[in-house]
Amino acid sequence: GAVVSQHPSWVICKSGTSVKIECRSLDFQATTMFWYRQFPKQSLMLMATSNEGSKATYEQGVEKDKFLINHASLTLSTLTVTSAHPEDSSFYICSALHQGGINEQFFGPGTRLTVL
Amino acid sequence: AQSVTQPDIHITVSEGASLELRCNYSYGATPYLFWYVQSPGQGLQLLLKYFSGDTLVQGIKGFEAEFKRSQSSFNLRKPSVHWSDAAEYFCAVGASGGTALIFGKGTTLSVSS
Repeated sequence: GAVVSQHPSWVICKSGTSVKIECRSLDFQATTMFWYRQFPKQSLMLMATSNEGSKATYEQGVEKDKFLINHASLTLSTLTVTSAHPEDSSFYICSALHQGGINEQFFGPGTRLTVL
Repeated sequence: AQSVTQPDIHITVSEGASLELRCNYSYGATPYLFWYVQSPGQGLQLLLKYFSGDTLVQGIKGFEAEFKRSQSSFNLRKPSVHWSDAAEYFCAVGASGGTALIFGKGTTLSVSS
């Protein structure tokens, strides 16, 4: 149990286009999901906290108009990278908070974004 | 400031030898501590976690970690390393299991035959 999926697992897009990444909790409900970003050979850095039914909370330095987060249901959060540029190329990982008495977050497998 | 420090960027261990990966944290509240492993291009797999109680925590794949409050450390150990253990290891801290985590920069483990 407690599986989190991400789609797509990898995506290549042209500069200026928008890309949507989905994060789904498959067998549990998650009112809170987190989005992290990982540059090559670097650690994970929190980008934003996604709460179902409300606006996401962004970390300092993260452009909320560029990284749009929508948490429309208890099992799905989406991250849209708008007008992507090569510097947005990175590994994006989500985690979902299991609140069914476990109070633990589970990580998705990540999405590799490459912007040409 | 809240932070996690993993002093060793890269460690090479012979297969069958013991392993210790270091982790030090700075955190204002009672820390919840985690160790994750990441294979190339993959997501994170939880090895073990410490919330409270016994300071020696057992995890999956034969790993264990010891919480030492006086040293603000949570070092990961394994008595005998296997070639399949080669990966990136991250230590992380949070206010609870349900808050965003602060990660260290990671330690790359290589296993030599």
